[in-house]
Amino acid sequence: GESVGLHLPTLSVQEGDNSIINCAYSNSASDYFIWYKQESGKGPQFIIDIRSNMDKRQGQRVTVLLNKTVKHLSLQIAATQPGDSAVYFCAESNDYKLSFGAGTTVTVRA
Amino acid sequence: DGGITQSPKYLFRKEGQNVTLSCEQNLNHDAMYWYRQDPGQGLRLIYYSQIVNDFQKGDIAEGYSVSREKKESFPLTVTSAQKNPTAFYLCASSIVLRSNRELFFGEGSRLTVL
Repeated sequence: GESVGLHLPTLSVQEGDNSIINCAYSNSASDYFIWYKQESGKGPQFIIDIRSNMDKRQGQRVTVLLNKTVKHLSLQIAATQPGDSAVYFCAESNDYKLSFGAGTTVTVRA
Repeated sequence: DGGITQSPKYLFRKEGQNVTLSCEQNLNHDAMYWYRQDPGQGLRLIYYSQIVNDFQKGDIAEGYSVSREKKESFPLTVTSAQKNPTAFYLCASSIVLRSNRELFFGEGSRLTVL
């Protein structure tokens, strides 16, 4: 079975609010954790990654948190915009292999 | 602009036919990958290649074949042996195999078997 999964398949967010997308993983040997965004009909795009020896990393409007104790990863999007509507995938990297979760569909309400 | 080009975007196939999906990149990346995406599921790795004339099976290689004769090209053939080929296929590349956490994806090819 998959080693990476997301807690909820869908998330509806009011425009301007913060979004939190969660992901659980099971492989404690993974060295990186990554978030990808996939818009409808397109390929995924890299958003941000975090190394396994870190617990927080910030990007532009996004923050990734890693809790190795409970094997949990989250992506926070500040001030969610309509363009943030997409499917978000978490992935873990172990050597050459990238394992993806099933994805969370984020819908932004106007 | 640099990027990955997949073709065709949509493809219909009759059962028993082989089809080849094209993937070309002009990013000068060494590593290339093929993933399969099914509704409600994550991406699953079919094949990957870290260098010309070399490729390795991923998690779901059965029924698929690839070649890597040129650095910029990594075509995927979906053979008649693939039992459930209808899916969205994504090609990706990375600078080198160990930089795989930042993959650059193409726009995908949607294959439907009639």
